[in-house]
Amino acid sequence: EIVLTQSPATLSLSPGERATLSCRASQSVSSYLAWYQQKPGQSPRLLIYDTSYRATGIPARFSGSGSGTDFTLTISSLAPEDFAIYYCQQRINWPLTFGGGTKVEIK
Amino acid sequence: QVQLVESGGGLVKPGGSLRLSCAASGFTFSDYYMIWIRQAPGKGLELISYISSSGSTEFYADSVKGRFTSSRDNSKNSLYLQMNSLRVEDTAVYYCARDFVANRRSNWFDPWGQGTLVTVSS
Repeated sequence: EIVLTQSPATLSLSPGERATLSCRASQSVSSYLAWYQQKPGQSPRLLIYDTSYRATGIPARFSGSGSGTDFTLTISSLAPEDFAIYYCQQRINWPLTFGGGTKVEIK
Repeated sequence: QVQLVESGGGLVKPGGSLRLSCAASGFTFSDYYMIWIRQAPGKGLELISYISSSGSTEFYADSVKGRFTSSRDNSKNSLYLQMNSLRVEDTAVYYCARDFVANRRSNWFDPWGQGTLVTVSS
């Protein structure tokens, strides 16, 4: 099973700041990595798939990069609605697995 | 508007059974693979089941294999999860979600339902 490790566990930032979230895989997942956002009391939604493709309706301030085992989700300028938990997910191997999440909180 | 609505959660004793349902609307249900994912309280996400668009193929996580069964009724736009031999560690919010792409398995998931809470406790 591929283990995805997200860091940091919590990121404390102010609106307008840049957020950089990391996801590291225990073995290569090629470019088959996605990011999801979960706001309090809501279900997750897909933000980024195949490392860098934004899902429909996702603002351009969200971007993804990386390959192999190291991936990054960048939010260029945090909007108030971006404070949430972010999960990465790999799809190269079954079982499909998720990272433990990074909480982006208001500083 | 694409929508998924889960139901059927509740409190059940260890060893008991429960059947979850997921009602889909706003898209051609029979064109999509569907999944069940759960989230234990304060924990991350675990994909537990994946079913093909026709219902002919299913995948299960080892943690639920042999105890849980997914099925679907495309005529009713509905997905089901039959959960037997429930354990305390099965306590979680259970979400259904749709594969991102029609007519093939992309293994990305969107949208998700709002979830239904299953509590296994004596």
